[in-house]
Amino acid sequence: AQTVTQSQPEMSVQEAETVTLSCTYDTSESDYYLFWYKQPPSRQMILVIRQEAYKQQNATENRFSVNFQKAAKSFSLKISDSQLGDAAMYFCAYRRGRNAGGTSYGKLTFGQGTILTVHP
Amino acid sequence: KAGVTQTPRYLIKTRGQQVTLSCSPISGHRSVSWYQQTPGQGLQFLFEYFSETQRNKGNFPGRFSGRQFSNSRSEMNVSTLELGDSALYLCASRQGQGQPQHFGDGTRLSIL
Repeated sequence: AQTVTQSQPEMSVQEAETVTLSCTYDTSESDYYLFWYKQPPSRQMILVIRQEAYKQQNATENRFSVNFQKAAKSFSLKISDSQLGDAAMYFCAYRRGRNAGGTSYGKLTFGQGTILTVHP
Repeated sequence: KAGVTQTPRYLIKTRGQQVTLSCSPISGHRSVSWYQQTPGQGLQFLFEYFSETQRNKGNFPGRFSGRQFSNSRSEMNVSTLELGDSALYLCASRQGQGQPQHFGDGTRLSIL
């Protein structure tokens, strides 16, 4: 079974600074997707960024970028120029790809989450 | 395009009752999945539906069931409610195999 681990229960950053959230995962599969979701107090889970395992290039979405280290099974999220609106719980998630076989490719496995506080 | 819509937003029930939660996916999304979120257990997968068929089920007792209709809307039912069922229930939809899930605002279920 796949597992996702976020070792930082809480992180804080000053506004306009950069912060990196860590995530490691365990899988024996080669076809999978990785995601970062953000959940503010309003509770809606919002997709931040996704990475396809077969792509070497790290995904980037505006101020958000990932460092995907496939061999090390590491998937960290870097937030640049942090803003007050970035404050939220961040979840790392794994989803197997269809080519991995079976029918469970729709299931997301989440890490425990990291609470990010942004100080003005 | 409207997002994933979950109703109701809040629900209070007592032990032993049953409850039905509803989820309308984003238009054109045929896959709907459900997750339970609690402070102790985090986010746990309940089940996924695609074209009215359950494709995958998480490790939950049979009291938890669901279904999907021909218009892709989904319902989740929990019977004989227990105190431990108090949680935020999140629904997500996706368009296709390689696409990410998009979540609704969730239904906060409280059991008294």
